[in-house]
Amino acid sequence: AQSVTQLGSHVSVSEGALVLLRCNYSSSVPPYLFWYVQYPNQGLQLLLKYTSAATLVKGINGFEAEFKKSETSFHLTKPSAHMSDAAEYFCAVSEGGATNKLIFGTGTLLAVQP
Amino acid sequence: NAGVTQTPKFQVLKTGQSMTLQCAQDMNHNSMYWYRQDPGMGLRLIYYSASEGTTDKGEVPNGYNVSRLNKREFSLRLESAAPSQTSVYFCASSEGTGKIFGPGTRLTVL
Repeated sequence: AQSVTQLGSHVSVSEGALVLLRCNYSSSVPPYLFWYVQYPNQGLQLLLKYTSAATLVKGINGFEAEFKKSETSFHLTKPSAHMSDAAEYFCAVSEGGATNKLIFGTGTLLAVQP
Repeated sequence: NAGVTQTPKFQVLKTGQSMTLQCAQDMNHNSMYWYRQDPGMGLRLIYYSASEGTTDKGEVPNGYNVSRLNKREFSLRLESAAPSQTSVYFCASSEGTGKIFGPGTRLTVL
């Protein structure tokens, strides 16, 4: 069975500092991995996805994530945090295929301090 | 191109009442999904439909039914609402990897 673990339900950084949100996955088959962002009272927006091509994936808003099979990790990073990055971030895993079911982590709430 | 739309945005029910949450997508996607989001638990899959005419259970299907009315529409029905179904409900659609989510329906069951 697939699962996702997000370490740290709350992360706080200063504006301009590095953002690092951690995600570890478990999957019996080569996974598809995703990061979604949710702004307050809104739906989820896809930030980036890994689908077995390049291990370093670049997404929107300056975010990127690196797939590390040996560590079963897919951590999300951004070199310099902006106030507008404050949101909740969800890591998700899928086996793909016809059903393409997503299994989500419990989320990490990112706060950006001025 | 509206993407995924959901109605209503907010709803308050009394225990035992029934209601249907509506979802529609205009992207000609084959697959559609219903998730619920609860604090500290992320999103959990309730039901999904891989194509028109098919539906399958997800992680937490108890207390819900779904209908894939046509390729565009996928509704979620609560026959007898319970306080444990207080949640934010998201519909999503996809073609291939990655999903497009609707804005959500915030449901409170008293």
